[in-house]
Amino acid sequence: AQSVTQLDSQVPVFEEAPVELRCNYSSSVSVYLFWYVQYPNQGLQLLLKYLSGSTLVESINGFEAEFNKSQTSFHLRKPSVHISDTAEYFCAVSVGGYQKVTFGTGTKLQVIP
Amino acid sequence: KAGVTQTPRYLIKTRGQQVTLSCSPISGHRSVSWYQQTPGQGLQFLFEYFSETQRNKGNFPGRFSGRQFSNSRSEMNVSTLELGDSALYLCASSPMTSGTHEQYFGPGTRLTVT
Repeated sequence: AQSVTQLDSQVPVFEEAPVELRCNYSSSVSVYLFWYVQYPNQGLQLLLKYLSGSTLVESINGFEAEFNKSQTSFHLRKPSVHISDTAEYFCAVSVGGYQKVTFGTGTKLQVIP
Repeated sequence: KAGVTQTPRYLIKTRGQQVTLSCSPISGHRSVSWYQQTPGQGLQFLFEYFSETQRNKGNFPGRFSGRQFSNSRSEMNVSTLELGDSALYLCASSPMTSGTHEQYFGPGTRLTVT
């Protein structure tokens, strides 16, 4: 079975500074990888996804994540964060077929003015 | 397309009661999953339905049950409510194209058990 590890439960960062949220996964087969964002009192929103092809994927609001098969990682990065990026971010993995999606425990990003 | 809708958004129940939550997926999506989210346990998978059949189930007691209708709408039921059932219950639908399981979440139902 697959698993996801988000080692950082909270990440404080100053506004306009870069940030990296770490995600490592474990699976014996090929995977699909996702990052979701949850703003306070809302459901999760799909931020970006890796299905196949280019290992670098980007979102419309400046986040990017790189699939690294050798390190089994899918870290999320942004070169310059804004106050509005304050939220909880979840990494998720799927192996497709009839298997369920597995979510990490989440990382709370706190952007400090 | 309209997003995933969940009703009701907020609910207050008493211990021992039962509750039914509803989820309407995005049009064309046949897979619906339910999650429980709490500050202590995080996001926990309850179950997934596809074409009216429960396909996956998490580690929750039998008090938690669900079903899916022919129009893909889904309901989950919790019987004999306990204080620990207070949580945000999230529903997610998936188009299941290529079996990738990318999910689209509703806003959730906030259940408070007193």
